[in-house]
Amino acid sequence: DAKTTQPPSMDCAEGRAANLPCNHSTISGNEYVYWYRQIHSQGPQYIIHGLKNNETNEMASLIITEDRKSSTLILPHATLRDTAVYYCIVRFSGGGADGLTFGKGTHLIIQP
Amino acid sequence: DAGITQSPRHKVTETGTPVTLRCHQTENHRYMYWYRQDPGHGLRLIHYSYGVKDTDKGEVSDGYSVSRSKTEDFLLTLESATSSQTSVYFCAISVGTSGSKETQYFGPGTRLLVL
Repeated sequence: DAKTTQPPSMDCAEGRAANLPCNHSTISGNEYVYWYRQIHSQGPQYIIHGLKNNETNEMASLIITEDRKSSTLILPHATLRDTAVYYCIVRFSGGGADGLTFGKGTHLIIQP
Repeated sequence: DAGITQSPRHKVTETGTPVTLRCHQTENHRYMYWYRQDPGHGLRLIHYSYGVKDTDKGEVSDGYSVSRSKTEDFLLTLESATSSQTSVYFCAISVGTSGSKETQYFGPGTRLLVL
């Protein structure tokens, strides 16, 4: 699986959009970009994933650049409960049982 | 929460004692996983299972064994607990069988302290 690079920490004001970047310059054509988050003491929570196209669900939007070498997770209206560590993970799409490789992620702090 | 429960949620034990952690799912998913999380390391895969009685090792499997005799239960055993196994243990399931539908969902975790 390709490696990812994320800033270690970010701040965002409550009510504003939080934009979390991720670089994955060695991503291959059959690898998806997944985002998870982990709120203190809880299990990681799945947020969203995508291959090439931008994706949106009830939690967030995922913007993937045309060359697929980077992506941005967008939380449109951040709340205090969005304070968490956010992980960007690149994963082969071929199925199988392999586990996820978590890096250090970005610690997002939402300020009141 | 994808119907995943872990038990116990907290455990304190002594070095050298056996410990078994249980992961239970209610939706008959094929793939199940055990991870551990330690400060400075993120989550690391211990073992995983791709069906009843079908298991394989992950990145940090030394000192751990697993069993899966029923689809819904995946057990992690520390045969002789050591202080280095003090950690938070997460179970996960994989939903879907291929491609982009294969998303992992995690349980609430078990905090293990080995004295």
